[in-house]
Amino acid sequence: EVQLVESGGGLVQPGGSLRLSCAASGFTFNFSSMNWVRQAPGKGLEWVAYIKHDETEKYYVDSVEGRFTISRDNAENSLYLQMNSLRVEDTAVYYCATDYGFAWDHWGQGVLVTVSS
Amino acid sequence: QSALTQPPSASGSPGQSVTISCTGTSSDVGGYNYVSWYQQHPGKVPKLMIYEVTRRPSGVPDRFSGSKSGSTASLTVSGLQAEDEADYYCSSYAVSNKWVFGGGTKLTVL
Repeated sequence: EVQLVESGGGLVQPGGSLRLSCAASGFTFNFSSMNWVRQAPGKGLEWVAYIKHDETEKYYVDSVEGRFTISRDNAENSLYLQMNSLRVEDTAVYYCATDYGFAWDHWGQGVLVTVSS
Repeated sequence: QSALTQPPSASGSPGQSVTISCTGTSSDVGGYNYVSWYQQHPGKVPKLMIYEVTRRPSGVPDRFSGSKSGSTASLTVSGLQAEDEADYYCSSYAVSNKWVFGGGTKLTVL
């Protein structure tokens, strides 16, 4: 059974940093491209970042380009999102999700990031 | 990246069919056959219902179907059931290796 478990969320002040983690199991992680998708409270979904299985390609939504960095450790079956220079508008539940032909088929339960002073 | 346009709400009675539209541009929906649809019940994780415009993942009922014409994609739910009441989001691959979502449609089963 595919399992994705996010961690690392919490309350942070504007301008601060946070690192999210996603522990994966139940599938061949090192062959799977991965994504982060977020959802602001009461709002819709927004794709945030993509990383290819071998880290050769990384893509970001324009609003986080230069502030967020997606990475992975295939030996540890883990996905990460380093978030710097956080803004109030980055407040959201962040989901890690497996890539499925330009879609996302397995999602974690999500982790809440709150950016507030 | 601009969000795709979905109607905020849709409704139908049990047994009826309802179609939700998702309008983009030639840079996303119209340019690629990579439209997907997600169902999200309140407080739950999104679930993939349709990918690559028309394909259903294993386990998704065939009451759910997808289509596309030009820059508008559609999700049709036939034989509406009470458990279909949820929020539905479309998504599309877009130019420059981006992905965009629609704003979501709240489907009510009357």
